[in-house]
Amino acid sequence: DAKTTQPNSMESNEEEPVHLPCNHSTISGTDYIHWYRQLPSQGPEYVIHGLTSNVNNRMASLAIAEDRKSSTLILHRATLRDAAVYYCILRDNNNNDMRFGAGTRLTVKP
Amino acid sequence: DAGVIQSPRHEVTEMGQEVTLRCKPISGHDYLFWYRQTMMRGLELLIYFNNNVPIDDSGMPEDRFSAKMPNASFSTLKIQPSEPRDSAVYFCASSFAALNTEAFFGQGTRLTVV
Repeated sequence: DAKTTQPNSMESNEEEPVHLPCNHSTISGTDYIHWYRQLPSQGPEYVIHGLTSNVNNRMASLAIAEDRKSSTLILHRATLRDAAVYYCILRDNNNNDMRFGAGTRLTVKP
Repeated sequence: DAGVIQSPRHEVTEMGQEVTLRCKPISGHDYLFWYRQTMMRGLELLIYFNNNVPIDDSGMPEDRFSAKMPNASFSTLKIQPSEPRDSAVYFCASSFAALNTEAFFGQGTRLTVV
């Protein structure tokens, strides 16, 4: 069973902010929320992670709902190079595996 | 560190042949993951190791697939015999054990079985 659900695809215009949603309604208290992205013809790369508080790094921001059942990855100014498949996954104490769903394919239009 | 290193980058083999994919994780990492990616099935977790011990191999599709990690710096994924439906990109990734650390992926091995 998928632990997270994401929209299949989203579009954005270049230079505009993008909000990528993820639902994880069965999250447990110790699960970390991780985001990865996969650019064309490359392996996935780490973007950001969080537990309860919102997080910022040089790539993106992660907004986590108060009940932790959903989160949003925020790209503040999308560029053409941000076109990729974005994956939201959970890492938990029980398994510590990293299982990927289908992700969200982000298209950035010039 | 040079990152996670996979070899070969590309492999073309005939059906029935044995294929061995190799992975060198980042030094010091506790976890090593093997994935298979296809258009139809996406990115599938095949097996992962913790400190060289296989933890969960439930994603290994058939007995034709096997994976080993003889030491902390090397892992192999073997397919014997290979079939055309095994054609995919295979990724290896490694990470520390802590849940709040990132995983690093290799560039992948593109396998084509003809």
